[in-house]
Amino acid sequence: DAGVIQSPRHEVTEMGQEVTLRCKPISGHNSLFWYRQTMMRGLELLIYFNNNVPIDDSGMPEDRFSAKMPNASFSTLKIQPSEPRDSAVYFCASSPQGARVSQPQHFGDGTRLSIL
Amino acid sequence: AQKITQTQPGMFVQEKEAVTLDCTYDTSDPSYGLFWYKQPSSGEMIFLIYQGSYDQQNATEGRYSLNFQKARKSANLVISASQLGDSAMYFCAMRESSGLIFGKGTTLSVSS
Repeated sequence: DAGVIQSPRHEVTEMGQEVTLRCKPISGHNSLFWYRQTMMRGLELLIYFNNNVPIDDSGMPEDRFSAKMPNASFSTLKIQPSEPRDSAVYFCASSPQGARVSQPQHFGDGTRLSIL
Repeated sequence: AQKITQTQPGMFVQEKEAVTLDCTYDTSDPSYGLFWYKQPSSGEMIFLIYQGSYDQQNATEGRYSLNFQKARKSANLVISASQLGDSAMYFCAMRESSGLIFGKGTTLSVSS
């Protein structure tokens, strides 16, 4: 079975540019999560979708960040305009019956983002 | 307030020995889940083991077991018979109603 698929794997862009990260969750999983990993802050939740609806976006840093899930098999995380402090590894994760705390989250390989 | 605490930045163990990675947590929610993930140097996050707050028995998955002490709010990961491939960063995480809250991680180094 295919796991969570993220693209691109690496992204290098200049400050001020728009960045779009993409995620395809595991088929049949109804919950999707975006996380960010940095040396300073560790792993932190950005946003959580359940059945394509955003449930918790309290971790989204500021208005420059936006996330969408137009259907059950696709999500995007957009940063506009990007800043050097947005440089991080961004992970997407999905889980079945995701509202249940017992369900493990399966992570994609991450997108390593560098903003110059 | 930090909800997951991993006090060991680094741990060193010889092959075939057992090692315990510490994790304490804080929550007022009676229903929660505790997870351990492994992150090798290649960067992916690999789910290892889960313990539910209502589970009566400690979770086990192959060489991984979880020493769950609810009253102490601790959920330590025990790896038996360490292998060189176990060298990685290990994260303890908790889930209440939203996404996972992670600890800072422990780097495990296994030597031959």
